[in-house]
Amino acid sequence: AQSVSQHNHHVILSEAASLELGCNYSYGGTVNLFWYVQYPGQHLQLLLKYFSGDPLVKGIKGFEAEFIKSKFSFNLRKPSVQWSDTAEYFCAVNPLRGGGSQGNLIFGKGTKLSVKP
Amino acid sequence: EAGVVQSPRYKIIEKKQPVAFWCNPISGHNTLYWYLQNLGQGPELLIRYENEEAVDDSQLPKDRFSAERLKGVDSTLKIQPAELGDSAVYLCASSSRSYNEQFFGPGTRLTVL
Repeated sequence: AQSVSQHNHHVILSEAASLELGCNYSYGGTVNLFWYVQYPGQHLQLLLKYFSGDPLVKGIKGFEAEFIKSKFSFNLRKPSVQWSDTAEYFCAVNPLRGGGSQGNLIFGKGTKLSVKP
Repeated sequence: EAGVVQSPRYKIIEKKQPVAFWCNPISGHNTLYWYLQNLGQGPELLIRYENEEAVDDSQLPKDRFSAERLKGVDSTLKIQPAELGDSAVYLCASSSRSYNEQFFGPGTRLTVL
């Protein structure tokens, strides 16, 4: 079965520090990739997505992610975090063909980011 | 444009009682999803609708859970009877079609006592 792994359960950073959150998935075929964010008390929102083309995608609020097909990874980065980035971040994969899950999002368990002011 | 609307936002019931959740997707979105999110976990799909057809309900515990999407617009998810382990957040999402980005509602937090 397809799965998504997020390596860090809780990350604590100081403002202005750089961020990288890991995401790996287990599916050999073509995928659409997403990062969602959930700010405290709010609903899940799309941060960025990758469908095809340039493997380095830019999202909202200065976030970017790089798709490395050979590593089945889609890591999220931000060069300088702010206190307002405190949230939970979810990586999600949508297999496009085969495996029975096409069309469905498979989420990782999430990474909680706490940014100290 | 209004987002995905869910109600109620919170529900507390005793075990063995029935409960229902309602979702109204973004206008024009043909695909509707119900997810279950346990504490400390990512959302897990329960059922996916394409218009009024349930195209993937393989993860829906059909002995106690049911869902409907009459007329291909809003949807209801029901649990009967509820068990203690059903305490979780139930999320509804919609997209213009499968594979596209999904837009999530605020969720219903269910507590079963």
